[in-house]
Amino acid sequence: GAGVSQSPRYKVAKRGQDVALRCDPISGHVSLFWYQQALGQGPEFLTYFQNEAQLDKSGLPSDRFFAERPEGSVSTLKIQRTQQEDSAVYLCASSSRDITEAFFGQGTRLTVV
Amino acid sequence: DQQVKQNSPSLSVQEGRISILNCDYTNSMFDYFLWYKKYPAEGPTFLISISSIKDKNEDGRFTVFLNKSAKHLSLHIVPSQPGDSAVYFCAAKIRFRGNNNDMRFGAGTRLTVKP
Repeated sequence: GAGVSQSPRYKVAKRGQDVALRCDPISGHVSLFWYQQALGQGPEFLTYFQNEAQLDKSGLPSDRFFAERPEGSVSTLKIQRTQQEDSAVYLCASSSRDITEAFFGQGTRLTVV
Repeated sequence: DQQVKQNSPSLSVQEGRISILNCDYTNSMFDYFLWYKKYPAEGPTFLISISSIKDKNEDGRFTVFLNKSAKHLSLHIVPSQPGDSAVYFCAAKIRFRGNNNDMRFGAGTRLTVKP
């Protein structure tokens, strides 16, 4: 597709359940970012990939969060043993090497009950 | 550590008037600034940006002003239209910090333009 695609759009998980969120970036974009947006807040940086290499994971809040991009295209953000404070919108963005702005997907709204 | 701040959570203006959204930052290393617009249930969409070597960038009804000494930028929308009603995020980055060009966002300002 022409834009960044994220799935699922909505996910309800029971506390303690593992979840996996998918991001399909714009074709050819080498950079991929994950952000977490809590209600009423701006997006908070989680992690960054350049192609398949995870160059920065300083924003991941705990070792329950894991992201991968094995072939330098699709990325998956995995959250293990979800907790209520993980409830947020998870945004994926991609950009090419030649541009400065990143393009966002619609996000996945995760609700942990 | 809130490096980018938008102190006004909401703003309401009349159609046809000017909307001014403000943003402050604390990290003097930031050298590129962006504004994103977000409608409900959608991801943020890029609106306009400015490099730290400029103090103004204009694109149609949208103008961004940068005051580096005050670490302040603003987005002006004139004339405002009802379709501009959305949440506006200010973002900042350090462009040339190796390969990492992640952005730091403010908390957003909800703009409502009344017909």
